[in-house]
Amino acid sequence: EVQLVESGGGLVQPGRSLRLSCAASGFTFDDYAMHWVRQAPGKGLEWVSGISWNSGSIGYADSVKGRFTISRDNAKNSLYLQMNSLRAEDTALYYCAKVDSSGYYVWGQGTLVTVSS
Amino acid sequence: SYELTQPPSVSVSPGQTARITCSGDALPKQYAYWYQQKPGQAPVLVIYKDSERPSGIPERFSGSSSGTTVTLTISGVQAEDEADYYCQSADSSGTYDVVFGGGTKLTVL
Repeated sequence: EVQLVESGGGLVQPGRSLRLSCAASGFTFDDYAMHWVRQAPGKGLEWVSGISWNSGSIGYADSVKGRFTISRDNAKNSLYLQMNSLRAEDTALYYCAKVDSSGYYVWGQGTLVTVSS
Repeated sequence: SYELTQPPSVSVSPGQTARITCSGDALPKQYAYWYQQKPGQAPVLVIYKDSERPSGIPERFSGSSSGTTVTLTISGVQAEDEADYYCQSADSSGTYDVVFGGGTKLTVL
């Protein structure tokens, strides 16, 4: 069974940094692209970033480009999101998601990031 | 930027049929995916590639596509189907052109 467990969320002041992690199990991690998707409180889903199986291809939403960095460690079956220069509008539940071969997402349970002074 | 448009809300009585639409210019060329999200839970896939149903999803869930609109149909709606539903697609064949619809709140009266 696929398991994705996010961690690293918390309360952080505007302008500060936070690093999210996602521990994957139940599948061959380095066979799949991985993405981050977020959901602000009471709002819809927003794609944040994605990374190919070998880190050779990476993409970001315009809203986070230049501030967030996605990475992965296939030896550790882990996905990361380094978030710098955080803003109030980055407050959200951040989901780690496996991209299935049919194109859909398999989701973790999320980790909450709150940006506030 | 590319957008997928969903109605904010749909209401039906138990046993009736609910139809939730998702419109976008690229939908004739790109697959759509549908997720169900209940309060406090992560999204769950209910339809992929426009009309395919994952194992474990009840047969009352179906998907269809026509032109620039895809539709999630729930036949014989049950109280447990009350949730938010999101469509997902892309505006091109690029790997990172992922777009979600704004979500539709399905209320079972």
